[in-house]
Amino acid sequence: GDSVTQMEGPVTLSEEAFLTINCTYTATGYPSLFWYVQYPGEGLQLLLKATKADDKGSNKGFEATYRKETTSFHLEKGSVQVSDSAVYFCALGSGGYQKVTFGTGTKLQVIP
Amino acid sequence: EAGVVQSPRYKIIEKKQPVAFWCNPISGHNTLYWYRQNLGQGPELLIRYENEEAVDDSQLPKDRFSAERLKGVDSTLKIQPAELGDSAVYLCASSGGQPEGTEAFFGQGTRLTVV
Repeated sequence: GDSVTQMEGPVTLSEEAFLTINCTYTATGYPSLFWYVQYPGEGLQLLLKATKADDKGSNKGFEATYRKETTSFHLEKGSVQVSDSAVYFCALGSGGYQKVTFGTGTKLQVIP
Repeated sequence: EAGVVQSPRYKIIEKKQPVAFWCNPISGHNTLYWYRQNLGQGPELLIRYENEEAVDDSQLPKDRFSAERLKGVDSTLKIQPAELGDSAVYLCASSGGQPEGTEAFFGQGTRLTVV
């Protein structure tokens, strides 16, 4: 079945550091790929998405590229801020009814 | 546009008691999901509806959990009787149901504590 594997956290970075959170997936067919973010005390929000190979999703300075050859969708940001502290979930959507499967989440803490 | 609305936000019950959660999806979204998120984990799908039909309930513990979406809009998720291990956040989400590229929009969830 479909599955998503993302790097374990927590990840602690200083402000303005470069961020990478690794995500790989297993799926049949050609899934859509997502990164969701969960800020403290808030619900899940879609951060970015990509729907086909080589697509790059981007939002709020975050980027992720759909790599079919490596089945990966790594999240990157060039310069993190304290306000980026949150839990980040990689997810894929597959099947005719858009079944969404999540990874276990990576907690990011950015310190001043 | 209103997002996915869930109620209640928090619920504390004693074990063996029943509990119900309610979800109102985004207008026009025909796909509705119930997820359970345990502390420190990602959401896990319990059941997925297409309109009023449950198309995937393979992860729903049917001995104590039930769900319904009678008119293909609002949905309720029920646990009877609740157990200590059911303590979690229950998330409802909806999507437009198109084959590709449609993300799920989430409600804020109901945090259930069973004591």
